[in-house]
Parts: sequence; structure tokens; C-alpha cells
Amino acid sequence: QQPVQSPQAVILREGEDAVINCSSSKALYSVHWYRQKHGEAPVFLMILLKGGEQKGHDKISASFNEKKQQSSLYLTASQLSYSGTYFCGTEYSNAGNMLTFGGGTRLMVKP
Amino acid sequence: DVKVTQSSRYLVKRTGEKVFLECVQDMDHENMFWYRQDPGLGLRLIYFSYDVKMKEKGDIPEGYSVSREKKERFSLILESASTNQTSMYLCASSQGSGPYGYTFGSGTRLTVV
Repeated sequence: QQPVQSPQAVILREGEDAVINCSSSKALYSVHWYRQKHGEAPVFLMILLKGGEQKGHDKISASFNEKKQQSSLYLTASQLSYSGTYFCGTEYSNAGNMLTFGGGTRLMVKP
Repeated sequence: DVKVTQSSRYLVKRTGEKVFLECVQDMDHENMFWYRQDPGLGLRLIYFSYDVKMKEKGDIPEGYSVSREKKERFSLILESASTNQTSMYLCASSQGSGPYGYTFGSGTRLTVV
């Protein structure tokens, strides 16, 4: 089963914040986050392992709530360069690094 | 930097043709993956491989096969292309068992007419 991402799309002004959620109906081993700009390959942002850790990458951070089987990606003080489609990829076991991706969240940051 | 190279950026093929999509990675990664990307559906796994000559079916393997004769190369084969296989195909690689991020190729946009 694919994880469910929400919202499906969001429009921001530069400097605003956004949260993207990724929910799974199955127990998770890890969650990956990727960003894909139009016409380009998805680019790896970060991995979170079960244990509820939070990670950061510039002004982009993420958390993993093991109880809720949910991860959230936080974009703070958004920049134009943050525009793109964000995908979460979920891993259900520590076997083979196989990911199941969500449907994606389209983020547009306007000046 | 790890590079994953897909041989064609755009392909147009006729219904019934046998189609080969090639993917090469240059960092000795053990795992390689083929996904298709369709609007609203995200990325769906077709096949993956943990090692040379090893392959496993993903979520949507019907109508596809794969070949991994060398560690660096993973080929996706459409045995008899159909219009519902028109899609963006993405190849990815990762280091090994463990929580490693994927490196994706730029994709092949395949149109079957």
C-alpha cells in the first residue's frame, strides 16, 4: 500500500512555512524524503529511522512519529528554490532498501 | 558524485514492439530499481535487483522484465509495448541493505503509439 501524502498541493509566498505529511497504514522502518523539480530527477533530502528522530537540512526538517506511522516534512521560511514536488518513500523492513512512494505534494513558492 | 545514467531521455515506440530501457550507475551500488511515474500516482516500483543476476518483482511487474548481467547496468524490457505503458520511467540505485538514499537517473519518457 502506498503511503498517503497531504496536502496534494500547496502555494506559498516566499518566507512562509509549510508542512507536508506522509501517513502509512503499515508499521514503518524508515521514511525517505525527496524533492523533484519539473523535468528533473528526484533528489534525496533525508532519511528518518523509527525512533522518532528529527532531522534537518538547511531550513527543511522532518520528524517521524512511530506511534502514528507518520512523518512530517517542515519547510521553514520558504525560498523560491523550494518549489517542486515532494515525495515520501517508506520502507517497511530492514531488508533490501525497497521504497514505496506516496503520490507526491506539489509545492509552489511565489515571490 | 554518484551518477545514474539512463540511455534515452525520450522514446516513441509502436504498440507491440519490444522496448529496452537502459540504466547505468558508476558507484558500485548493489541495489538498482525501476519505477514508473504517472501524475497523481507517484512512483511505483516495477522491479528491483540486489545483485548481479538477482531480480525481484515490485508492485507492478506485469508486462515488464529486467536484466542485470553486470553490477553497474540494469535494463528494463517491455516485452510487447502497449499504450498503457506510456509513462516516465525512472531508474535508481542505492548502496546496499540499510537505510540509504536513492540516486535517481533523469528518466526516460516513453510514448507508445
